[in-house]
Amino acid sequence: DQQVKQNSPSLSVQEGRISILNCDYTNSMFDYFLWYKKYPAEGPTFLISISSIKDKNEDGRFTVFLNKSAKHLSLHIVPSQPGDSAVYFCAASQNYGGSQGNLIFGKGTKLSVKP
Amino acid sequence: DSGVTQTPKHLITATGQRVTLRCSPRSGDLSVYWYQQSLDQGLQFLIQYYNGEERAKGNILERFSAQQFPDLHSELNLSSLELGDSALYFCASSVGPRGGNTDTQYFGPGTRLTVL
Repeated sequence: DQQVKQNSPSLSVQEGRISILNCDYTNSMFDYFLWYKKYPAEGPTFLISISSIKDKNEDGRFTVFLNKSAKHLSLHIVPSQPGDSAVYFCAASQNYGGSQGNLIFGKGTKLSVKP
Repeated sequence: DSGVTQTPKHLITATGQRVTLRCSPRSGDLSVYWYQQSLDQGLQFLIQYYNGEERAKGNILERFSAQQFPDLHSELNLSSLELGDSALYFCASSVGPRGGNTDTQYFGPGTRLTVL
């Protein structure tokens, strides 16, 4: 049973437009959510995160939104650039009340930003 | 460059064999995590060590084992290999024992294992 789901395996966006990547989760005990970006032949790189006590976190062109009632989060990239083309992984963790520090990952969404 | 190193980059072996993957965490990080990424799968957590002790266990097969040494590097041992073990194996490290929240996990470049 997948606890973190990224239902879109791929997304294609024009340069300069907004990219919206979506993620759903099932475990209401998750209290921290992260996005990682992965280029081919490299390991995942941390991008941005959000605590469950917030509904929005912004870092430059990247904004993550969290809707706890819907168990849904999204990553917005504005404006999208060709260098943003990568696989984006959504991940979740349960820190408070949980003993494990591991991340639960979705299967990823491959973003292609076309010039 | 995340500061996490993994060796080897690629490994090709036969079914039934045993291999060892190595990971050196970032300087100052005490936690090491191992993840497996198979085809069409997200990263699956295998096991975590914190300062030499096993901290958490995920979907790790009994044929797999790991350890963290006093210098904090870690090794993942995979034995009686099967075709289905072919995957990318990533190591990550973090400062503390809880690798979420503000204790960011930094990933190495991975080891690609091919079992023929």
